[in-house]
Amino acid sequence: EAQVTQNPRYLITVTGKKLTVTCSQNMNHEYMSWYRQDPGLGLRQIYYSMNVEVTDKGDVPEGYKVSRKEKRNFPLILESPSPNQTSLYFCASSLLVGSSYNEQFFGPGTRLTVL
Amino acid sequence: KQEVTQIPAALSVPEGENLVLNCSFTDSAIYNLQWFRQDPGKGLTSLLLIQSSQREQTSGRLNASLDKSSGRSTLYIAASQPGDSATYLCAVTGGGAGSYQLTFGKGTKLSVIP
Repeated sequence: EAQVTQNPRYLITVTGKKLTVTCSQNMNHEYMSWYRQDPGLGLRQIYYSMNVEVTDKGDVPEGYKVSRKEKRNFPLILESPSPNQTSLYFCASSLLVGSSYNEQFFGPGTRLTVL
Repeated sequence: KQEVTQIPAALSVPEGENLVLNCSFTDSAIYNLQWFRQDPGKGLTSLLLIQSSQREQTSGRLNASLDKSSGRSTLYIAASQPGDSATYLCAVTGGGAGSYQLTFGKGTKLSVIP
């Protein structure tokens, strides 16, 4: 089944404790991206990747890191989480066709709470 | 910086009614526009994708149009059903400084009353 998976789905952690949220897709998509969703602010893009070893900042990259060493994986790293990073996080992927991409497929979300 | 606005923020209609959701964006230099559906506590499901060279896309009871020059898109839902109740999100790629950056609107929460 074609899908985007995220782990963990729920995470409660404390300020300053490094964490990684994994994202994996099995559709051979070039484009992958991370978003956070907050009440009243909607969905905002954190980072995106056009292909292996190619990443770029979205609207709210501060406090986050990403890497794209393999095509299928795009982990989101919080080196020193803070309470303002408490949010619902989504990973997504899509095919790149020429200069544009096809529809984005979203993972189920990771609900992160930083105490 | 690209900004996307969706109006109305919430909409309640009786079952069977046809309805239109609106999306506007500030920078017309987009690659594409996508409409999503999000159910409470769930991820996003892609409904329709319109490339910048296209004017509209249709899928079943859904029709989305794009007018790039005026920075507008509409999502038309025909013969609404209670199962259509969800939040509908519009997102554009491009515009502003980021060529492949995706910018979302805040959504329209739709309630279809049986």
